[in-house]
Amino acid sequence: QVQLVESGGGVVQPGRSLRLSCAASGFTFSSYAMHWVRQAPGKGLEWVAFITYVGSNKFYADSVKGRFTISRDNSKTTLYLQMDSLRAEDTAVYYCAKTFAGSPNDAFDIWGQGTMVTVSS
Amino acid sequence: QSVLTQPPSASGTPGQRVTISCSGSSSNIGSDTVNWYQQLPGTAPKLLIYSNNQRPSGVPDRFSGSKSGTSASLAISGLQSEDEADYYCAAWDDSLNGPVFGGGTKLTVL
Repeated sequence: QVQLVESGGGVVQPGRSLRLSCAASGFTFSSYAMHWVRQAPGKGLEWVAFITYVGSNKFYADSVKGRFTISRDNSKTTLYLQMDSLRAEDTAVYYCAKTFAGSPNDAFDIWGQGTMVTVSS
Repeated sequence: QSVLTQPPSASGTPGQRVTISCSGSSSNIGSDTVNWYQQLPGTAPKLLIYSNNQRPSGVPDRFSGSKSGTSASLAISGLQSEDEADYYCAAWDDSLNGPVFGGGTKLTVL
């Protein structure tokens, strides 16, 4: 079935780096734009970044621009989020999400289970 | 402060009809479609309504969405205890070049 499975979360010190992965299965991964969305503890949803289906275009929320990098490997059906210069305010559950029909501005019809990132000294 | 504005809470009794509002601007709701997500406690969000008023397969027709101008609303009829969850509206924002979310509405079934 269609599935997204995130991994790579953990506890990291401020200023350090972490790379998240999102393994996709059950659909033609290379045909869909993909997003990362995060949710701080007890807070609402915040969009982080998206990448188009071939990876040619990437856009970021202002809060992570210049520190996070989204990428994908269509041969491995995997989405990535490289997070550098982490801050305490980046502490959140990170979800990857599939777009409904492939375009970046589509709804997110499939979400992963999320991976927790805690930035703390 | 979220770009889209939702009431923080809503409530109703079983069988009742409840609506949740979502207010935006010309750069988001006013120029693109609205999607709604349901997040049950401790789980990932789930798509509930897309393109203003379309239900994905498997979503009961008790859930409906509408949009007018720069506002949208989600209606839940025949409220059930399992509807107790957080609900988020979302829309693409042309000026931010990304999607924006409402702050979420916590629905309590009394």
